[in-house]
Amino acid sequence: AQTVTQSQPEMSVQEAETVTLSCTYDTSENNYYLFWYKQPPSRQMILVIRQEAYKQQNATENRFSVNFQKAAKSFSLKISDSQLGDTAMYFCAFMKQVGGGSQGNLIFGKGTKLSVKP
Amino acid sequence: ETGVTQTPRHLVMGMTNKKSLKCEQHLGHNAMYWYKQSAKKPLELMFVYSLEERVENNSVPSRFSPECPNSSHLFLHLHTLQPEDSALYLCASSQDTLRSGVAQYFGPGTRLTVL
Repeated sequence: AQTVTQSQPEMSVQEAETVTLSCTYDTSENNYYLFWYKQPPSRQMILVIRQEAYKQQNATENRFSVNFQKAAKSFSLKISDSQLGDTAMYFCAFMKQVGGGSQGNLIFGKGTKLSVKP
Repeated sequence: ETGVTQTPRHLVMGMTNKKSLKCEQHLGHNAMYWYKQSAKKPLELMFVYSLEERVENNSVPSRFSPECPNSSHLFLHLHTLQPEDSALYLCASSQDTLRSGVAQYFGPGTRLTVL
């Protein structure tokens, strides 16, 4: 079974600085997908970034980028130029390749609560 | 807004009550999901519907009963719940469940408290 571990329950960062959230996962699959979701206080969970395991290039979305290390099964999220609006819970999630009876189900970590301080 | 709405946003119910949670997606997706989010635990997948057919039931107690009348609407019927069922219930949708790597889009959730 796949598992996702986020070892940092809480983190804080000063506005305009850079922060990295860690995520490791355990799987015997070779093809899969990884996601970071953001859940602001009392607001909807939204997709931040998505990575395909067969792509070596790290995904980037504006100030958000990942460091995907497939051999180490590590998928960290870097937030550059942190803004107050980045304050949220961040969830790392894993999805197997569809097929062989497997649906596109997400497996989530427990989350990291990020606080951006002015 | 992600295009997925949920009502009610907050619900308090007694253990003998019957209530329903509603989810609606405006994204033209074919798959819908119910998740349970409890404090300090990972999101737990409860049910998956693809093209209005239930394709996964993650060993959820029968006091939770899902219904998907069409690809845009998903309900979760609740009856004789326990206090430990208090949680945030999230609905999500995606294009389908049969394509790899498809992202899921979440609603704002219903905060359920069982007294």
